[in-house]
Amino acid sequence: KAGVTQTPRYLIKTRGQQVTLSCSPISGHRSVSWYQQTPGQGLQFLFEYFSETQRNKGNFPGRFSGRQFSNSRSEMNVSTLELGDSALYLCASSLGLGIRYEQYFGPGTRLTVT
Amino acid sequence: DQQVKQNSPSLSVQEGRISILNCDYTNSMFDYFLWYKKYPAEGPTFLISISSIKDKNEDGRFTVFLNKSAKHLSLHIVPSQPGDSAVYFCAASDKTSYDKVIFGPGTSLSVIP
Repeated sequence: KAGVTQTPRYLIKTRGQQVTLSCSPISGHRSVSWYQQTPGQGLQFLFEYFSETQRNKGNFPGRFSGRQFSNSRSEMNVSTLELGDSALYLCASSLGLGIRYEQYFGPGTRLTVT
Repeated sequence: DQQVKQNSPSLSVQEGRISILNCDYTNSMFDYFLWYKKYPAEGPTFLISISSIKDKNEDGRFTVFLNKSAKHLSLHIVPSQPGDSAVYFCAASDKTSYDKVIFGPGTSLSVIP
């Protein structure tokens, strides 16, 4: 079974631009969660999608948004990029909603904002 | 304020010995706890979890202990192997916050052959 894939793996953007990251979950998984990892803040939960609906959201500004498609693939968008958005963005998929279902992480997208 | 703390940024252990990774939390509403392992350039991998109704959960070489009164959990790895060298994250969630998960900052474990 193929694992969680994320594209692109690396990205360099300029302040003020916007970016879209993509996540393809494991086949059959209906939940996709997104996380931001930075050296200073560690791993932080962004949001979780299940059946195309956002079910849970972390404490991030509205510049961070996402969506999920009918095939469970998910995209995350960050608008008006700031230097502090430089991070590793991880997505994870699971069979069900919530952390009590085992989550399988992708390798992440490394975003650098200059 | 950090609700999940891992006060040791790094830990070194000899191969074959026990590794003990510690985690403290402040939110008494947390009722589910997890440990993840992360290698460089890879996403985290789920290791083991424990519900607050238990005080111990075991899976092979990995055992998690939960002390609710002290708001403390620990991960024991016995025996430690060089392949266990990774960053270990403790995480916690509570049903009343729709299972929003909070991660600790991680502990880097080095197992020396």
